[in-house]
Amino acid sequence: EAGVAQSPRYKIIEKRQSVAFWCNPISGHATLYWYQQILGQGPKLLIQFQNNGVVDDSQLPKDRFSAERLKGVDSTLKIQPAKLEDSAVYLCASSLDRQAYPYEQYFGPGTRLTVT
Amino acid sequence: KQEVTQIPAALSVPEGENLVLNCSFTDSAIYNLQWFRQDPGKGLTSLLLIQSSQREQTSGRLNASLDKSSGRSTLYIAASQPGDSATYLCAVASGGSYIPTFGRGTSLIVHP
Repeated sequence: EAGVAQSPRYKIIEKRQSVAFWCNPISGHATLYWYQQILGQGPKLLIQFQNNGVVDDSQLPKDRFSAERLKGVDSTLKIQPAKLEDSAVYLCASSLDRQAYPYEQYFGPGTRLTVT
Repeated sequence: KQEVTQIPAALSVPEGENLVLNCSFTDSAIYNLQWFRQDPGKGLTSLLLIQSSQREQTSGRLNASLDKSSGRSTLYIAASQPGDSATYLCAVASGGSYIPTFGRGTSLIVHP
């Protein structure tokens, strides 16, 4: 079974530039999550999708971050414009269904973003 | 709001030692607790998932226990090896949206 795929793996941009991350979840997984992990901290959820609908985006900084999952499979997360404090690892995860017990999550390798 | 705390924040042990990592959470109404491993610059690898109705799970040299009433979980690593060096994260799924809350992790170094 193929895992969660993410690209790019690394990205360096200057502040005020834009950046986009891509995620392909495990086949058949209805739920997709984007997390932000700042160095030395645990991952913090940015947005959760169920198929192509948003379940929770309460911690997504909507003035600069946006995400979509148009066909209920792949997802993109965009930052525009980037700030220095956006430097972090962006993790994508998927699970079979957010209401399918035991709600086990599978993570991709992450994208390390550095904003200079 | 669920809060997850991991102690210790960092641990350095000689190879061969048995060790225990601790995770505590504030809301005992959980669906599951998952332990992850994270290598530097990498994503998270799931180690063990304990369902709410379970008390422990085992995989090889790893054993995780769950005590919901006290809001605690422990990850036991037997006969540690240098390859076990990584950050270990605990995540608790709770609340109506089943979203996991993560601790900050325990950074483990096993030296030869």
